[in-house]
Amino acid sequence: DAKTTQPPSMDCAEGRAANLPCNHSTISGNEYVYWYRQIHSQGPQYIIHGLKNNETNEMASLIITEDRKSSTLILPHATLRDTAVYYCIVNGYGQNFVFGPGTRLSVLP
Amino acid sequence: DTGVSQDPRHKITKRGQNVTFRCDPISEHNRLYWYRQTLGQGPEFLTYFQNEAQLEKSRLLSDRFSAERPKGSFSTLEIQRTEQGDSAMYLCANDIGDYGYTFGSGTRLTVV
Repeated sequence: DAKTTQPPSMDCAEGRAANLPCNHSTISGNEYVYWYRQIHSQGPQYIIHGLKNNETNEMASLIITEDRKSSTLILPHATLRDTAVYYCIVNGYGQNFVFGPGTRLSVLP
Repeated sequence: DTGVSQDPRHKITKRGQNVTFRCDPISEHNRLYWYRQTLGQGPEFLTYFQNEAQLEKSRLLSDRFSAERPKGSFSTLEIQRTEQGDSAMYLCANDIGDYGYTFGSGTRLTVV
């Protein structure tokens, strides 16, 4: 079973920041938080990952709480092309990725 | 282009027929995974290879399913005597280290 809990769906206005939450209260000290997204009819695409520090790349920012029990993926300026299912995954070395149902983000014009 | 190629992209087959899917991974990455995804669900792990060795199989992988990776290069997933419940997207992925997995675009199987 997935070790994460995400809301099933969210809406966001185009051009605004999309903040996608994820709960992972049972995360272990050596487990990373990964975020992937899946656009219709494609395979999941890596977005970002982190252990305990906040991370930023060209796609998104990842904010991890100090106790590491939750995190937020931030898409700073959402576009229509960001409409997708977003998966938050907790994974340690040597473990297979376990996907939950994710959050379906709809970016609205 | 994700670097992981899957063929075919779509397959429609009659119930009871056998089907085979192929995955060509990023050549320098030696871990290869197969996942299955049904409508509205996240991908589910089926099996993975380290080079040519199949190291783990999910309980989802019934005896009608077989996967191979000869010589540690491409991989095939065969489903024998297909059933309607096998209709799904079959995804192949490479482990690319710290950045997780790179997935192919998948093969969508429809059993009629």
